[in-house]
Amino acid sequence: EAGVAQSPRYKIIEKRQSVAFWCNPISGHATLYWYQQILGQGPKLLIQFQNNGVVDDSQLPKDRFSAERLKGVDSTLKIQPAKLEDSAVYLCASSFGTGGRTEAFFGQGTRLTVV
Amino acid sequence: SQQGEEDPQALSIQEGENATMNCSYKTSINNLQWYRQNSGRGLVHLILIRSNEREKHSGRLRVTLDTSKKSSSLLITASRAADTASYFCATGLTGGGNKLTFGTGTQLKVEL
Repeated sequence: EAGVAQSPRYKIIEKRQSVAFWCNPISGHATLYWYQQILGQGPKLLIQFQNNGVVDDSQLPKDRFSAERLKGVDSTLKIQPAKLEDSAVYLCASSFGTGGRTEAFFGQGTRLTVV
Repeated sequence: SQQGEEDPQALSIQEGENATMNCSYKTSINNLQWYRQNSGRGLVHLILIRSNEREKHSGRLRVTLDTSKKSSSLLITASRAADTASYFCATGLTGGGNKLTFGTGTQLKVEL
């Protein structure tokens, strides 16, 4: 079974530039999560999708971050414009059942450095 | 904000010893999960315990859950150098869209 795919693995951009991350969840998984993990901290939930609907985006900085999950499969997370404090690893995960009720499978993450 | 707080933040033990880490959380949960993260890698699911369960085992892992105290513990027995990683608890919250939120993590180092 293929795992959660994320790209790119690494990205370096200057502040005020824009960047996009892509995630392909495991086939058949209804729930998709985007987390931000700053070095030395636990993952922080940015947005959670159930199929193509948003379940929770309470911690997504909506003035600069946006995310979509077209057709309930792939998802993209965008930052525009980036700030220095956005430097982090962005993790995508998916789960088969309703979010939070079953185990989540994680991708390798995208390490973003904003300079 | 983080739902869970792990304790201790860091733990260093010798190979063969047991490692115990604790997690406290704030609100009602559907289940509690433990994940491992090796340096620079994604998270790997270890074990899930439901709110109506008190103890669960998987290989060298033992997890307990006390919903009255809103706390859980993860015990790794006979630790190995390969167990060196960060360990996170994650709670599946009841209601509110069943969010999966993570704690702050425990860094475990197992020395030879």
